[in-house]
Amino acid sequence: DIQMTQSPSSLSASVGDRVTITCRASQGISNYLAWYQQKPGKVPKLLIYAASTLQSGVPSRFSGSGSGTDFTLTISSLQPEDVATYYCQKYNSAPRSFGPGTKVDIK
Amino acid sequence: EVQLVESGGGLVKPGGSLRLSCAASGFTFSSYSMNWVRQAPGKGLEWVSSISSSSSYIYYADSVKGRFTISRDNAKNSLYLQMNSLRAEDTAVYYCARDSVQGVVTPVGVWGQGTTVTVSS
Repeated sequence: DIQMTQSPSSLSASVGDRVTITCRASQGISNYLAWYQQKPGKVPKLLIYAASTLQSGVPSRFSGSGSGTDFTLTISSLQPEDVATYYCQKYNSAPRSFGPGTKVDIK
Repeated sequence: EVQLVESGGGLVKPGGSLRLSCAASGFTFSSYSMNWVRQAPGKGLEWVSSISSSSSYIYYADSVKGRFTISRDNAKNSLYLQMNSLRAEDTAVYYCARDSVQGVVTPVGVWGQGTTVTVSS
């Protein structure tokens, strides 16, 4: 099975900072990669699919890139409401594994 | 409004069984693949199982294969997860989740609020 890893596991940044989270698949998954945001006590929310396509309603400060095995989620200017854990997920085939998550908070 | 409402969670002893249900509304249930995703307390998301719109394709995580059974009733707009031989490590919030787009390979786009399963003696 393909394993998904993320780095870092947590980060602390200032409001307005550019934040980058990396997700790596153990084998190529083309662009079948999604990013989710889960705020504390809330249900996960789809941010990005097909590695770089922004889900409707998601602020443009979020962006995704990558293909094959290496992917990134970037928040161009971190806002207080972005405090959350971010997960990547492969969805091209089963098992639809999630990465372990990256917890983002404000410095 | 698109809505997924889970039920059936609770406290069960190790080795016991539980059946989760998910009632869907606000969309054409029979057109979408559906999923169960769980989250253990303080842990990350874990994909559990998926079922295609017509139940032709069913998949499970290795951690639940042989113990859990996913099914759906399109006439009742409902998704189910039969969980047998439950273990302490199955303790989690279980989310019912719908693929974001019908008919093609897409990620989960709609989530229920979750139902809590606790396996403990």
